Amino acid sequence: DQQVKQNSPSLSVQEGRISILNCDYTNSMFDYFLWYKKYPAEGPTFLISISSIKDKNEDGRFTVFLNKSAKHLSLHIVPSQPGDSAVYFCAAVLSGTYKYIFGTGTRLKVLA
Amino acid sequence: NAGVMQNPRHLVRRRGQEARLRCSPMKGHSHVYWYRQLPEEGLKFMVYLQKENIIDESGMPKERFSAEFPKEGPSILRIQQVVRGDSAAYFCASSPNRAGTEAFFGQGTRLTVV
Repeated sequence: DQQVKQNSPSLSVQEGRISILNCDYTNSMFDYFLWYKKYPAEGPTFLISISSIKDKNEDGRFTVFLNKSAKHLSLHIVPSQPGDSAVYFCAAVLSGTYKYIFGTGTRLKVLA
Repeated sequence: NAGVMQNPRHLVRRRGQEARLRCSPMKGHSHVYWYRQLPEEGLKFMVYLQKENIIDESGMPKERFSAEFPKEGPSILRIQQVVRGDSAAYFCASSPNRAGTEAFFGQGTRLTVV
């Protein structure tokens, strides 16, 4: 049972344009969400997070939006840069716990 | 995430041998988590430890796998009698608090069972 889903395995975007990565979840008890970026042969790197009491969090070029009613979150990267090319994982945390439930990832390719 | 140190980076074991994966958390972090990533899949939670205590091992296979985080030294994930299906990337993460705080990941150990 995949509680966190990233339905797009891959995404290609032109440099300078916006990248939008999507994530859906099924458990309404998730109360904290995170995005990680992963390069090949490296560990995931934390990008940005959002608590369920918010609907938006912004950090530089990265913005995460949370739509609780739709059980959907998205990561916007603008402007996209070639160095952003990586696999992006969303993760959700069940209220009162510490376990991250990861999606299967979206491979982003930013074309120069 | 460079602060979480895992070694070795690559480990090759023959079927039936033991694999020992080590993780030193970031300075000041007392919470350690192990995750496994199978090819083409996301990361799956295995175990959560604090110093000298296993808090949650609900993601650990019932047999052959064990983890520890002693008072002194790194956290160890041990896999006994490895099989081909154990081949994966094993990631360790650490955090200073429990829920609500981002965890920082190490670079992983890629285990190959031949």
